Amino acid sequence: EVQLVESGGGLVQPGRSLRLSCAASGFTFDDYAMHWVRQGPGKGLEWVSGISWNSGSIGYADSVKGRFTISRDNAKNSLYLQMNSLRAEDTALYYCAKGRSVGWGTPSWFDPWGQGTLVTVSS
Amino acid sequence: QSVLTQPPSASGTPGQRVTISCSGSSSNIGSNIVNWYQQLPGTAPRLLIYSNNQRPSGVPDRFSGSKSGTSASLAISGLQSEDEADYYCAAWDDSLNGHWVFGGGTKLTVL
Repeated sequence: EVQLVESGGGLVQPGRSLRLSCAASGFTFDDYAMHWVRQGPGKGLEWVSGISWNSGSIGYADSVKGRFTISRDNAKNSLYLQMNSLRAEDTALYYCAKGRSVGWGTPSWFDPWGQGTLVTVSS
Repeated sequence: QSVLTQPPSASGTPGQRVTISCSGSSSNIGSNIVNWYQQLPGTAPRLLIYSNNQRPSGVPDRFSGSKSGTSASLAISGLQSEDEADYYCAAWDDSLNGHWVFGGGTKLTVL
């Protein structure tokens, strides 16, 4: 069974940093691109970032570009999101999701999703 | 404001057929596949429809998707109480070096 488990969320002050992790199991991790998608409280889904199977290609939403860094460790079957210069508007439930194939672009879809880890940015 | 436009709400009675629309542009829906996600209350989203009209294993055939031009639709026939959820469309957008975009979501209420 494919499983994605996020961790690392918490309460952080504006301007500070946080690192999220996603532990993957049940599939050959380095055969697939991975993504981070977030959902603000009471809001819709927003794609944050995607990374190809070998980290050779990476993309970010404009809202996080220059502040967030996605990475992966295929030896540890893990995905990460380093979040710097956090803002109140970054408050959200952060999901990791598996892509369809090696690249993070189209054609693809997000399946499955983890249960998410909550990040709250507040003073 | 979301790049893809969905109605904020939809409703129907058990057994009815409901349709949820998703409107985009030539840079997203017009030139790329559309996927749909279902989010039951308090749970993570799950893939419902991929590649415009394909159902993953385990998704009932009551759910169907279609695409025409720069718009897409999700249809649910034989509506059931357990279908009450938020539904999101998503597509790749070719602009700005490429990125993924979602609709704002449609909350489906089963009356």
